[in-house]
Amino acid sequence: DGGITQSPKYLFRKEGQNVTLSCEQNLNHDAMYWYRQDPGQGLRLIYYSQIVNDFQKGDIAEGYSVSREKKESFPLTVTSAQKNPTAFYLCASSIAGRQATRPYGYTFGSGTRLTVV
Amino acid sequence: SQQGEEDPQALSIQEGENATMNCSYKTSINNLQWYRQNSGRGLVHLILIRSNEREKHSGRLRVTLDTSKKSSSLLITASRAADTASYFCATDTVDSSYKLIFGSGTRLLVRP
Repeated sequence: DGGITQSPKYLFRKEGQNVTLSCEQNLNHDAMYWYRQDPGQGLRLIYYSQIVNDFQKGDIAEGYSVSREKKESFPLTVTSAQKNPTAFYLCASSIAGRQATRPYGYTFGSGTRLTVV
Repeated sequence: SQQGEEDPQALSIQEGENATMNCSYKTSINNLQWYRQNSGRGLVHLILIRSNEREKHSGRLRVTLDTSKKSSSLLITASRAADTASYFCATDTVDSSYKLIFGSGTRLLVRP
């Protein structure tokens, strides 16, 4: 079955520690996205990538970093510079991008819940 | 930046009733999408409506779009307990194409 896999499901970070959240898709989608969701809130865009080796900052990129070395993978690193990282992190992918001939919806992973301890 | 705002924030109805959720947005869009999120899970894409469309149907879902009022509504007919979830609208705006901006969501509770 095609889809997006996020791991781990739960992650605990100590103060001053960097952690990396994994996102892998086998849908052959060009575009991938990272969103942050706080309790009872909507989603806020952290980073997005339309093509391999290229990515753009979203609305809340400070304290986060990403890489896009392979089409299938878009890992997110939460650095120690992110002062309030406790949240639910969602990865998504889409066909939509510069090559899309019509708009498509996003496919989401099941999320990673990050907690600072 | 928050583009879409859903109304109401929370909605509680009896099974079998219809549920209507509204979404307002601020800037011109290419398309508007609705998603569902069950508690603690990822989002599931429900329906997409383009800026030149006024209404779209998918099963028990009906979406309308009024670009002059910058608003959309999602109607779920004959609701079921399994429809209990949060519903989000998301806009693909003209000036920030290829990335969706999500609203804050409507929490729907369908009582059996």
